Amino acid sequence: NAGVTQTPKFRILKIGQSMTLQCTQDMNHNYMYWYRQDPGMGLKLIYYSVGAGITDKGEVPNGYNVSRSTTEDFPLRLELAAPSQTSVYFCASSPATGLNTEAFFGQGTRLTVV
Amino acid sequence: KQEVTQIPAALSVPEGENLVLNCSFTDSAIYNLQWFRQDPGKGLTSLLLIQSSQREQTSGRLNASLDKSSGRSTLYIAASQPGDSATYLCILTTGTASKLTFGTGTRLQVTL
Repeated sequence: NAGVTQTPKFRILKIGQSMTLQCTQDMNHNYMYWYRQDPGMGLKLIYYSVGAGITDKGEVPNGYNVSRSTTEDFPLRLELAAPSQTSVYFCASSPATGLNTEAFFGQGTRLTVV
Repeated sequence: KQEVTQIPAALSVPEGENLVLNCSFTDSAIYNLQWFRQDPGKGLTSLLLIQSSQREQTSGRLNASLDKSSGRSTLYIAASQPGDSATYLCILTTGTASKLTFGTGTRLQVTL
């Protein structure tokens, strides 16, 4: 089972460049999330989606955009990369909320903006 | 607002010791609680999931308990090994879509 797959695993960007972090899940989960984790810190929610066509902002959405055209994919776009966006990015998914809801995480994308 | 605190923030124990990690939360209206481990520079690995209607779950040397009324969960690790060294996170799922609420984490080091 693939679970949640993130690509790329590592990336170095120059200031002002743009890129898309890819996230795909094959579990038919409705809920998907993007988090960032700064060194020595906890995870902060950037954006989330409760289903195809629906997205909403989390705690730290500035500088990012997302789309959810399919259930499987939830890409995160950085339009004008800034050093403050140097972080590790995690994508997660879960079924619709319920007692047996289990969150699954991708392995992360380590992004450095120089 | 749900707040999730993990105590201690860091812990160092010699190999072989049994240990308990604590997770406290302020809102008992949760669907479930998961314990994860995160190795340095790596992703999150799910260890155990406890549904809100359950009291405990066990997997190998790990045992997690949940007491919703007191807003507490504990992760018990038996016979600790150096390979258990990692950061342990408790993550709560609540009713709204955005609410995967993360604990503050406990950084565990098991020494030889």
